[in-house]
Amino acid sequence: ILNVEQSPQSLHVQEGDSTNFTCSFPSSNFYALHWYRWETAKSPEALFVMTLNGDEKKKGRISATLNTKEGYSYLYIKGSQPEDSATYLCALISSNTGKLIFGQGTTLQVKP
Amino acid sequence: ETGVTQSPTHLIKTRGQQVTLRCSSQSGHNTVSWYQQALGQGPQFIFQYYREEENGRGNFPPRFSGLQFPNYSSELNVNALELDDSALYLCASSADRIYEQYFGPGTRLTVT
Repeated sequence: ILNVEQSPQSLHVQEGDSTNFTCSFPSSNFYALHWYRWETAKSPEALFVMTLNGDEKKKGRISATLNTKEGYSYLYIKGSQPEDSATYLCALISSNTGKLIFGQGTTLQVKP
Repeated sequence: ETGVTQSPTHLIKTRGQQVTLRCSSQSGHNTVSWYQQALGQGPQFIFQYYREEENGRGNFPPRFSGLQFPNYSSELNVNALELDDSALYLCASSADRIYEQYFGPGTRLTVT
């Protein structure tokens, strides 16, 4: 059974703090990695799709890196804002079937 | 561009009954994936349909079945409902099997 682990499970930061989360996965089972943001009462929203070792992607204040050899991805948020409060999910694709295996998520709460 | 829609929004069923959930994919997308999300967990992959064919299945019993139609909309059918089937059911469409997925708002199923 493939396991995708995310840490920490939850995080409380002050507005303006920078933060990062980790997604760990079995390095031998990598095809692609997705990051999603899921705000309360909304649908999960795609942030990044990462496929190559060493990939770095950025969208505004959010960026992600990927290390497929050691089996981890980091998501960074620079200068957190209250609107960044959400659950951040990473999901591994291990083959071309497109089966997404989600981690349990990191819930971020940013206090004004 | 129309987003992913799901119906119904909420549903209450009795143990042993059958249920059909529906999903309309985003325009131009040929792939639909279904997920079950229980409280406190990441979404669990049920199955994926690509161009009307099942393209990967998660660890769900055969009483979970699906269909994809020529317009790429999809149905999830669950027979012989059990109490543990109570969850949020999400569908997501994508332009191809491993591309980023666009999620619908979900159907909240309660089995009593």
